[in-house]
Amino acid sequence: GNSVTQMEGPVTLSEEAFLTINCTYTATGYPSLFWYVQYPGEGLQLLLKATKADDKGSNKGFEATYRKETTSFHLEKGSVQVSDSAVYFCALSGAGNQFYFGTGTSLTVIP
Amino acid sequence: DTGVSQDPRHKITKRGQNVTFRCDPISEHNRLYWYRQTLGQGPEFLTYFQNEAQLEKSRLLSDRFSAERPKGSFSTLEIQRTEQGDSAMYLCASSSGTSGSGQETQYFGPGTRLLVL
Repeated sequence: GNSVTQMEGPVTLSEEAFLTINCTYTATGYPSLFWYVQYPGEGLQLLLKATKADDKGSNKGFEATYRKETTSFHLEKGSVQVSDSAVYFCALSGAGNQFYFGTGTSLTVIP
Repeated sequence: DTGVSQDPRHKITKRGQNVTFRCDPISEHNRLYWYRQTLGQGPEFLTYFQNEAQLEKSRLLSDRFSAERPKGSFSTLEIQRTEQGDSAMYLCASSSGTSGSGQETQYFGPGTRLLVL
């Protein structure tokens, strides 16, 4: 079946630190992979996506590369800001268009 | 920019009561999804519609839950005889795309937070 395993949090970083949030998946077929972000009190927002192996999704300084050989889609950012504090969800979408989400990783960035 | 909207944003009810939530998707989107999110967890799929047809239902969707999308636009999710375990955030999402692509982005609403006392 399909599932997503995400790095457990919470994660606390100082401003301008490097961020990595690990995500690995199990899937049948060739899923698309997504990172969504949820800011306090708000709904889920798409951060970036990749639809095939070796694709790199990027947005707002965040990047993630679809690695089929390691079944991973790790989220990275070179220099985090206080405004990046949020919960980050890794997700996959299979042929049935149903999304499978990880449990989320809470990030707090301190000045 | 009219994104996905949900109403109400919060609902408190007593155990055994019925509740109904509404979701208005992005207007040109033909697909609509319902998810449930409990504290500290990611969203879990409940059901999805393509236009007015309900195409898939999760095992999480017990017979107390029913969803409709009568005209292929807005959708309602009703929970009958609510239980304390139904307390969660109920999320709606919409998307457009061809069948089986698996590549389309889902756009989420702000959610309805349900508390069953």
